[in-house]
Amino acid sequence: AQSVTQLGSHVSVSEGALVLLRCNYSSSVPPYLFWYVQYPNQGLQLLLKYTSAATLVKGINGFEAEFKKSETSFHLTKPSAHMSDAAEYFCAVMRGDGNKLVFGAGTILRVKS
Amino acid sequence: EAGVTQFPSHSVIEKGQTVTLRCDPISGHDNLYWYRRVMGKEIKFLLHFVKESKQDESGMPNNRFLAERTGGTYSTLKVQPAELEDSGVYFCASSQDPYGSPLHFGNGTRLTVT
Repeated sequence: AQSVTQLGSHVSVSEGALVLLRCNYSSSVPPYLFWYVQYPNQGLQLLLKYTSAATLVKGINGFEAEFKKSETSFHLTKPSAHMSDAAEYFCAVMRGDGNKLVFGAGTILRVKS
Repeated sequence: EAGVTQFPSHSVIEKGQTVTLRCDPISGHDNLYWYRRVMGKEIKFLLHFVKESKQDESGMPNNRFLAERTGGTYSTLKVQPAELEDSGVYFCASSQDPYGSPLHFGNGTRLTVT
């Protein structure tokens, strides 16, 4: 069965600092991997998606994620945090032959001024 | 294009009552999904429609939950009778195809059962 582990339910960074949100997945087949973000009182918004075309995936708002098969990881990074990045971030995996997204527990990002 | 629309945005009902949630997917999206997030837990899959047919309903918690998608357009999720543990946020999502396409989510319906 697929599963996703997000290390750290809460991450706090200073404005301008590096953002690193960790995600490890387990999947028996090559997966599709996603990062979603939920801003307060809003729905889930797609940040980026990995589909095996390239291991480094660039998303919206300056975020990117690197797929590392050997580490079964798909960590999300942003070089410089902005106050508007404060939100909850979800890593999710989808099997290539399936239709379900399996979500991690989410990481709440706090950005300090 | 209009996004996925869900209503109501909030619903507060008493245990034993019935609630119906509605989802309007993005026009042209044959695939429609329901997910739920119970407080403090992960977002969990409930079911998947392809047009009007249920492709996978393995995530439906029990027979108090009934999902329909008449004519392959909007979908409803009825909870009858509601229990306290049904409280949470119910998300609807749609996609053009199920094989790796991103899911587009609505803002969710926050259901509180008292």
